[in-house]
Amino acid sequence: GAGVSQSPRYKVAKRGQDVALRCDPISGHVSLFWYQQALGQGPEFLTYFQNEAQLDKSGLPSDRFFAERPEGSVSTLKIQRTQQEDSAVYLCASSSGILGGNTEAFFGQGTRLTVV
Amino acid sequence: AQSVAQPEDQVNVAEGNPLTVKCTYSVSGNPYLFWYVQYPNRGLQFLLKYITGDNLVKGSYGFEAEFNKSQTSFHLKKPSALVSDSALYFCAVRAGAEGGYQKVTFGTGTKLQVIP
Repeated sequence: GAGVSQSPRYKVAKRGQDVALRCDPISGHVSLFWYQQALGQGPEFLTYFQNEAQLDKSGLPSDRFFAERPEGSVSTLKIQRTQQEDSAVYLCASSSGILGGNTEAFFGQGTRLTVV
Repeated sequence: AQSVAQPEDQVNVAEGNPLTVKCTYSVSGNPYLFWYVQYPNRGLQFLLKYITGDNLVKGSYGFEAEFNKSQTSFHLKKPSALVSDSALYFCAVRAGAEGGYQKVTFGTGTKLQVIP
C-alpha cells in the first residue's frame, strides 16, 4: 500500500490477556519505529528496527512488551498479560533513512488499545 | 538526555491572522528538528524538518519554521491561518550525530484552534 498500515485500529482486551498489534510499513523502508501515545501526550518511543535487527528497545516499559520484524518488513508488537496502564494508542512509523537518519517518518493511524 | 518543550498546550488564533506554535529543545551537538501534525483519529503527518543549511525552513500547507541556535528554538509559523489548520502539532528532535543511531524525542503537543 501507499502508506503505513496498522491493524487492528481498535482493540479491547481484558486485563491479563495477551495482544498482538501489526504494522505494515511502506514498502522498501528500512527503518521502523513503535511509539506509545497516551491521551493528551506526545508519542513516547518504544523500539526501533533497522530491517530485521532490533537496534533499540530501550523504550519498552517492561518485559511484557515484545516486538519483532522477522523478515525486515511487517512488524508485530506483542503485549503479554495486559494491564490497565497499557491503554494507549500504539503508533508505528517507517522511514527510508537508516539508523534513524535525517529523513522524516511516515506514521500509521495507530491502534487504540483499551484494557478493561 | 535530549528533550523538547512545547510551552503552550493550546494556541487560539483568528482565521487569516498569523500563527506561531513554539518549540524549544535540548540536545547534544547539532539537532535535527521536525514538525508533525495530527488530525483527529489520524496518524502523525510530517510538515517540515531542519537538518542543516538555511535557518528558515518551508514545509507543507504553507507552514514554515525558523531554527534559532542561540535560543535553541524551532517555532512553527504560518502567515495566514485557516480553519482547516486546527489540529495537534508536535515538535520533535534528535541529535544529528554522524554515523550513529539516535532516538527521536517528541514534545507533548500543542493544540491549534483557528477561529472563523
